[in-house]
Formats: sequence, structure tokens, C-alpha cells
Amino acid sequence: QLQLQESGPGLVRPSETLSLTCTVSGDSINKYFWSWIRQPAGGGLEWIGRLYPTGTTNYNPSVYGRVTMSADTSRNQFSLRLTSVTAADTAVYFCAIRGWFGGAFLDYWGQGALVRVS
Amino acid sequence: QSVLTQPPSASGTPGQRVTISCSGSNSNIGTNSVNWYQQLPGMAPKLLIFSNNERPSGVPDRFSGSKSGTSASLAIRGLQSEDEADYFCAAWDDGLNGSWLFGGGTKLTVL
Repeated sequence: QLQLQESGPGLVRPSETLSLTCTVSGDSINKYFWSWIRQPAGGGLEWIGRLYPTGTTNYNPSVYGRVTMSADTSRNQFSLRLTSVTAADTAVYFCAIRGWFGGAFLDYWGQGALVRVS
Repeated sequence: QSVLTQPPSASGTPGQRVTISCSGSNSNIGTNSVNWYQQLPGMAPKLLIFSNNERPSGVPDRFSGSKSGTSASLAIRGLQSEDEADYFCAAWDDGLNGSWLFGGGTKLTVL
């Protein structure tokens, strides 16, 4: 059973850097590409970006210049770094891994981690 | 404001069929496939439909998706109380450097 778990500080001060790590168990992350999505309280989903095992990244224009995604495949982990945070970055942050296997799209999410900027 | 537009709410009684719409543009739904997600309260979103109308293993066939032009729809037949949740459409947008878009979400209430 593939499982994802987000970890990191739940409280970040304005102007500082938000850092989260997603630890994956049950399969090698090298088979997938890795994404971060966030959801403010009572709000909708906002895609932050994705990272492929090749190193290719795509980021949401709304966070350009502030976001970096990276991975440590030896630890089966990938990470999100968001700089210069403001209250608008307060949200539940989800990590997700996705991939195509045998014509089917697989999509696994972590339970989410609440990060408050205050 | 989401570029993919969904109605904020929908409702139905048990056993009914309900549909949820998702409207986009040529740069997203018009060009790329649509996924649908179900989010139960306090839970992470779960993939319901991918590639417009494909169901992942384990998703009941009561759920179906369709796409026409720049719009997509999720249909749920034989509505059940456990279907009460938020539903989100999603699609890749071919705009500047590309970006994955989510709809604003539709809260489905089972009356």
C-alpha cells in the first residue's frame, strides 16, 4: 500500500521560508512524478508545481520566483520550499505522486499538512 | 478565481442522477484531458475520473465523466449519502510554461 506523509513546521513567520517534505512508503518514487497542491481553509485546490525524476519542473505562475521543488530519491522523499511567505500562503499543503502505468493514471495524495503563516 | 468554472453547489436525493459541469477554454479543456476528484470532509482529494471518462480501479461505475469542446461533466447515478462531498475538475493549461488547473469545486449535498 503506497502511503505519503507530509512533514514540516506548522507555523512560519511572514517573510520567512516554508519547507515541507513528503516521505513515500510502499514504492519507489522514481516511478512517478511529484507534485505539491495546497488548499486554504474552506477554499479550493491550487496546484503549486511538479517535479519529474529527470529534474524537469513546472511551477504555477502564482509562485514563480518563490518556489523550489527537490527530491532525495535515496530517502524516497521530495520537498517543497516556498520563500517570502505571507498570510496568503496559509493553507493545507498536500503532496502527491502521479504516473501512467499500463494505460491507467495513478494518483496518490498525502493526508495534508496545515501550515500557518503568522 | 479559478479558470475552470464549476457551480458552487449541487444537490440530489438518494437514487437520483446528478451532473456537475466544468467550463474551461481552448488552452485547457479544449486541448487536454480532464480529471475529476472527490474530497470528503477532512480528507485528501481522491481521483475519480482521469482522461475525461476513465475510472481508476476501485471507483464505482456510478461515476462517469464526459467532455465536449471546452466543457466537461461528471455524472453520478444512483446517488448515495456517502457521495456527499466536494468535487473538483482539473486539467492542464497550455499557457505560459504550462500549469495544472483546478476548478473552484462543487459541494454536493445529498438531501
